[in-house]
Amino acid sequence: EAGVAQSPRYKIIEKRQSVAFWCNPISGHATLYWYQQILGQGPKLLIQFQNNGVVDDSQLPKDRFSAERLKGVDSTLKIQPAKLEDSAVYLCASSQGTGGTSSYEQYFGPGTRLTVT
Amino acid sequence: GENVEQHPSTLSVQEGDSAVIKCTYSDSASNYFPWYKQELGKRPQLIIDIRSNVGEKKDQRIAVTLNKTAKHFSLHITETQPEDSAVYFCAADSNYQLIWGAGTKLIIKP
Repeated sequence: EAGVAQSPRYKIIEKRQSVAFWCNPISGHATLYWYQQILGQGPKLLIQFQNNGVVDDSQLPKDRFSAERLKGVDSTLKIQPAKLEDSAVYLCASSQGTGGTSSYEQYFGPGTRLTVT
Repeated sequence: GENVEQHPSTLSVQEGDSAVIKCTYSDSASNYFPWYKQELGKRPQLIIDIRSNVGEKKDQRIAVTLNKTAKHFSLHITETQPEDSAVYFCAADSNYQLIWGAGTKLIIKP
């Protein structure tokens, strides 16, 4: 079974520039998560999709961050404009999300390390 | 909403000794409690999980215990080895998502 794919793996941009990250979840997984992990901290959920609908985006800074999952499979996360404090690893995870406790097992992609200078 | 507290933030043990990491949660409706291991520069990986209908679960050198009455669960690692050095995160499910602890940095001293 292929894992969660993310690209790019690394990105360096200047503040006020824009950046986009891509995620392809495990085949058949209905739920997709984007996390932000700042060095030395735990993952912080930014947005959760169930198929192509948003379940929770309460911690997404909507003035600069946006995310979509148009066909219920791949997802993109965009930052525009970037700030210095956005430097972090952006992790994508997926889970079956079909109901029942087994649906909560989350599998993570390798992450995208973003550096904003 | 759910709150998960994890202790200690750093744990240093001698190689071969046991390590215990503890978490408490607030949502009595939580039923799923996974533990993730994150090595430096790598993604979090699920190492063991427990569901509310079970009090203890073991997998080789690692075990997790759950006390639903007290709302706490713990990770136990026996016979620690250098490769156990990592950051460990506990989590609890709430409203179809995981609420994460702050993490414990486990250091194995040779």
